[in-house]
Amino acid sequence: KAGVTQTPRYLIKTRGQQVTLSCSPISGHRSVSWYQQTPGQGLQFLFEYFSETQRNKGNFPGRFSGRQFSNSRSEMNVSTLELGDSALYLCASSFISTGELFFGEGSRLTVL
Amino acid sequence: GENVEQHPSTLSVQEGDSAVIKCTYSDSASNYFPWYKQELGKGPQLIIDIRSNVGEKKDQRIAVTLNKTAKHFSLHITETQPEDSAVYFCAASKGRNSSASKIIFGSGTRLSIRP
Repeated sequence: KAGVTQTPRYLIKTRGQQVTLSCSPISGHRSVSWYQQTPGQGLQFLFEYFSETQRNKGNFPGRFSGRQFSNSRSEMNVSTLELGDSALYLCASSFISTGELFFGEGSRLTVL
Repeated sequence: GENVEQHPSTLSVQEGDSAVIKCTYSDSASNYFPWYKQELGKGPQLIIDIRSNVGEKKDQRIAVTLNKTAKHFSLHITETQPEDSAVYFCAASKGRNSSASKIIFGSGTRLSIRP
């Protein structure tokens, strides 16, 4: 059974640009969550989607947005990139919105 | 809101020795405490969890202990091996069936096993 797939794995952007990250959950999982991981800060919750609906949003500015498609695949977008947005962005899926989290390998974003 | 503090941030132990990672939480209503292991280049993976009605849980070389009164919980790894080298995250939530938004993670411990 394939795990959670995130693309791209690595990307470099410059300040002011925007970026879109993609997450394909484990087959059959309907819940997708996104996290930002930075050194010393652990995992900071960004969003949670279930059946195409955003269920919860973390304490991040409006430049961070996301969506989920009917096939449960999810994307997140960060507009007007800032240096501080450099991080590993992790996606996690679960069968239901309250199930065990299965993480992907992440998309490492570097903002120059 | 809930806050989870994790110590130490880095830990280096000799292969075969034990490693202990400690976490404290602030919300006394938290009752589910999972631990995740993140290997280099991979996402975190659940390795063990404990509920507040249990004081200790073991799984082979890994054990977790919980002190509800002090709001402390710890991960113990015995007979450490090179493959134990990774970043470990503790977390707290109000129930195993909490949504992802309610799971609060610690800042992580980078464990290195010296040969």
